[in-house]
Amino acid sequence: AQKVTQAQTEISVVEKEDVTLDCVYETRDTTYYLFWYKQPPSGELVFLIRRNSFDEQNEISGRYSWNFQKSTSSFNFTITASQVVDSAVYFCALSASYNTDKLIFGTGTRLQVFP
Amino acid sequence: EAGVAQSPRYKIIEKRQSVAFWCNPISGHATLYWYQQILGQGPKLLIQFQNNGVVDDSQLPKDRFSAERLKGVDSTLKIQPAKLEDSAVYLCASSLVRAGGTQYFGPGTRLLVL
Repeated sequence: AQKVTQAQTEISVVEKEDVTLDCVYETRDTTYYLFWYKQPPSGELVFLIRRNSFDEQNEISGRYSWNFQKSTSSFNFTITASQVVDSAVYFCALSASYNTDKLIFGTGTRLQVFP
Repeated sequence: EAGVAQSPRYKIIEKRQSVAFWCNPISGHATLYWYQQILGQGPKLLIQFQNNGVVDDSQLPKDRFSAERLKGVDSTLKIQPAKLEDSAVYLCASSLVRAGGTQYFGPGTRLLVL
């Protein structure tokens, strides 16, 4: 079975703090894809990053960085120097290619950044 | 490039009524998805189309939900008759490629069933 676990339901930080959102996944497939999406209060899911199972390189994009570790089945997301505009629900998702292309989402982590 | 378009944005109906949602994917995207997102949960796939053919509808409650993508572009999702538990956000997404392709989401339709 495929599963994504985001154990942190809600995180509150003060602006300029660094924050890490955890994501643990389960799959038996050797080829799979991992994603992070942001859902601001407006409701639209905004794509942040896609990573395939053969690429364990960490990635940095501005204040965002992602740490992919197959050994622990984790794909964690760090926001450096958080800003109020980062307040949203963040979803981690998994797609395995053998059966269907659907995204299996975690339950999301609500991030609140206070000024 | 225009994103995924959905309408209406909001809909309030009474139980046992019918409702329809419309989605226009990103131009050139052959794969289209409908997800249901209940409050406090992650989205769950209802149905996936590749052009105008159904790839996966295993999670679609077929006794009340139906969807079509007649010309391989726009899609409609219908609920008839609606139940209270259908209150959710219905998200449409599209992707350029299938396996592992990035799915881009529309703004969603918020449905409230009274």
